[in-house]
Amino acid sequence: QKEVEQNSGPLSVPEGAIASLNCTYSDRGSQSFFWYRQYSGKSPELIMFIYSNGDKEDGRFTAQLNKASQYVSLLIRDSQPSDSATYLCALNTPLVFGKGTRLSVIA
Amino acid sequence: GAGVSQSPRYKVAKRGQDVALRCDPISGHVSLFWYQQALGQGPEFLTYFQNEAQLDKSGLPSDRFFAERPEGSVSTLKIQRTQQEDSAVYLCASSLAHSAGELFFGEGSRLTVL
Repeated sequence: QKEVEQNSGPLSVPEGAIASLNCTYSDRGSQSFFWYRQYSGKSPELIMFIYSNGDKEDGRFTAQLNKASQYVSLLIRDSQPSDSATYLCALNTPLVFGKGTRLSVIA
Repeated sequence: GAGVSQSPRYKVAKRGQDVALRCDPISGHVSLFWYQQALGQGPEFLTYFQNEAQLDKSGLPSDRFFAERPEGSVSTLKIQRTQQEDSAVYLCASSLAHSAGELFFGEGSRLTVL
């Protein structure tokens, strides 16, 4: 089992909707969790990090962590076509990445 | 420079050739990481340095892969006797500290082995 699992998608949502991206991980000792966004042909860039159970909000983005269920998610509110990209879940140091979920926001 | 710089951006090699990929991290960044990203996959960890010390090379796929960072700044990833399965984008990233998860990535070096 790969250490970080993500549904590869594509996940299609209409403009203005909430996009929900999910990630599960196998290492119970994982302490730090990150979401990166990667536009096609570009390199990954950090969107958010979360260390504690619960929710963390930053603008239109909310990261959710549940260590008991080994689950981390990213919610994008009021999705825009410019949010269309691959979203990579990553954890630990050095970072271990999932394969990413491709999000498509339809105008 | 302002960001992580990688060169060459594109490299085509014949199978069996040696290649060298260069990474110039953000000035002052202590940690430097190399990742390999195949099409449609997430980045796969190869190795990382803290200053000039290579602290983890567990992700290097074979002994044909070698990385160095002799002066704690610029790093080179060398691949000997390239194989077709080495075709991928090689991403370099740097961070201020080892424990920081905020990696700043370069644009990558796309290697195609024919």
